Amino acid sequence: DTAVSQTPKYLVTQMGNDKSIKCEQNLGHDTMYWYKQDSKKFLKIMFSYNNKELIINETVPNRFSPKSPDKAHLNLHINSLELGDSAVYFCASSQALKAVVGDTQYFGPGTRLTVL
Amino acid sequence: AQSVAQPEDQVNVAEGNPLTVKCTYSVSGNPYLFWYVQYPNRGLQFLLKYITGDNLVKGSYGFEAEFNKSQTSFHLKKPSALVSDSALYFCAVRDGNTGGFKTIFGAGTRLFVKA
Repeated sequence: DTAVSQTPKYLVTQMGNDKSIKCEQNLGHDTMYWYKQDSKKFLKIMFSYNNKELIINETVPNRFSPKSPDKAHLNLHINSLELGDSAVYFCASSQALKAVVGDTQYFGPGTRLTVL
Repeated sequence: AQSVAQPEDQVNVAEGNPLTVKCTYSVSGNPYLFWYVQYPNRGLQFLLKYITGDNLVKGSYGFEAEFNKSQTSFHLKKPSALVSDSALYFCAVRDGNTGGFKTIFGAGTRLFVKA
């Protein structure tokens, strides 16, 4: 049973296109996250959602629009893709509804986005 | 501002020898510290965390970490390295100022264990 799953695993697209990445967790967690890992493996938070509500938007361009239809899903839609968007995008989840400082995050396998 | 530093890009160790991967942190308030491991083409996996209590934290796969408040360090250790431990290791701190909803990761340290 996959705890945090992402689709697709690989995404190759042209500049200017719009694409979506889907994330689902079956852990019953209340908090979900999107991270971007660049080519140097540097990992940075993009968004945090708690009970479907956006909590953290870490100065991400508004071409990136997360959407959480329910607590188990957090999708990422990207408009007008740019070369610099090429990266690996990780979804993660953690349990708590509040006071998440001590929570372990569980990561999905990642989606490798390549913009040509 | 909260920050995490991993001063070594790469650590090389022979199989069977002890290993240490270094991490220092800077936080305002209580530190909530984590270690994760990333194998090639995989997501991050949790190893261990320090929230409160004993300074020596034991985690998965025989790893442990020592929280040192005076040196603001949280070094990852293992008494005897395995070739299969070769991976990318991330130290992270939960930002208490955002209720923990923001995690700041170090730049990662690549561990090579030679047979």
